[in-house]
Amino acid sequence: NAGVTQTPKFRVLKTGQSMTLLCAQDMNHEYMYWYRQDPGMGLRLIHYSVGEGTTAKGEVPDGYNVSRLKKQNFLLGLESAAPSQTSVYFCASSYSTVQPQHFGDGTRLSIL
Amino acid sequence: SQELEQSPQSLIVQEGKNLTINCTSSKTLYGLYWYKQKYGEGLIFLMMLQKGGEEKSHEKITAKLDEKKQQSSLHITASQPSHAGIYLCGAPPPLGQNFVFGPGTRLSVLP
Repeated sequence: NAGVTQTPKFRVLKTGQSMTLLCAQDMNHEYMYWYRQDPGMGLRLIHYSVGEGTTAKGEVPDGYNVSRLKKQNFLLGLESAAPSQTSVYFCASSYSTVQPQHFGDGTRLSIL
Repeated sequence: SQELEQSPQSLIVQEGKNLTINCTSSKTLYGLYWYKQKYGEGLIFLMMLQKGGEEKSHEKITAKLDEKKQQSSLHITASQPSHAGIYLCGAPPPLGQNFVFGPGTRLSVLP
């Protein structure tokens, strides 16, 4: 049972480049989330989804887009990467808002 | 404003010692979750508390939620190097619009 899988694990981009972070879960969870974790800032919610075909903005959505075309996948896109987006990105999923979230191992992203 | 506060911010203990980490909210919690994050990895769910006065244990880790449901403590008995990591508390809505995490407590256990 893989749980939540994130790809890639590491990536280095140049300013202005675009990329997509992939998240897949095999627990049939309705809810999926993208967070970023920065020193001194803790975990901050970027976007989330309450089901297939739906997305919503979190605390820090600017500069990111997401898509949930299939229930098991949640994609996070950076259209024009900026150095301020250097961070560790975590994907999570849960059955509901009051059930524990299950996390992937993270993607370390550096923007030069 | 920080909706969940944790103390201490960091902790260094000798192997075998007991320790306590606290998580405090200014508002009533509708649930409190404890997670552990090993350095460079994702968060691992430890325990969930929902009722005032509730206490749960897993191996050498015990978590409690106070009667007012505004403070939780995580206690580790006879700490081991494997307990090292960052411990985060989290709470579901309606504390925040979405799930809220505390800033974390970094624990180091010296052999």
